[in-house]
Amino acid sequence: AQSVSQHNHHVILSEAASLELGCNYSYGGTVNLFWYVQYPGQHLQLLLKYFSGDPLVKGIKGFEAEFIKSKFSFNLRKPSVQWSDTAEYFCAANFGNEKLTFGTGTRLTIIP
Amino acid sequence: EPEVTQTPSHQVTQMGQEVILRCVPISNHLYFYWYRQILGQKVEFLVSFYNNEISEKSEIFDDQFSVERPDGSNFTLKIRSTKLEDSAMYFCASSESRLYRETQYFGPGTRLLVL
Repeated sequence: AQSVSQHNHHVILSEAASLELGCNYSYGGTVNLFWYVQYPGQHLQLLLKYFSGDPLVKGIKGFEAEFIKSKFSFNLRKPSVQWSDTAEYFCAANFGNEKLTFGTGTRLTIIP
Repeated sequence: EPEVTQTPSHQVTQMGQEVILRCVPISNHLYFYWYRQILGQKVEFLVSFYNNEISEKSEIFDDQFSVERPDGSNFTLKIRSTKLEDSAMYFCASSESRLYRETQYFGPGTRLLVL
């Protein structure tokens, strides 16, 4: 079955620490991958997306993600987090149809 | 930057009552979606809508649910007879096209509580 999994449910980091949030998917065909962020009280916003080409994609606010096909992964990274990065992060995939399939989300808390 | 808007932000209702959740998609978008997130669970797809028709729906989207675009701007989700398990955050989204690589833009959500 097509699915997306995020193994980190809650991550707590200090400011300036490096971040990596895991995302894996289960599907043998072509997949489009997204990371969305939801800041407290706000709507889901697109951070970045991968469709094809360079597997390292750069998004807004200094985030990047790397698509590793052999590992079915699309991990989100940021070299140095800020307090304002405190939010919930969702990995999502489109498996060739209209709907997005989401992971469970990772709550990121940054300690000043 | 244009945004998807949703009203109300919170809705409390009694079990068995009908609720209508409203969304205003981004104005030049043609594809509309509803998702929901039960507390502590994944965001789940409910339905997609294009050209005044449902184009895809999930198994969650049963006869209790309906969607409508009553005018040129609003997109509504109706739950005919709410159940306790319908309590969730409901997100509306829209996109320019149905290309599966197209970005979906989400609204802030309506938190529905069924008592």
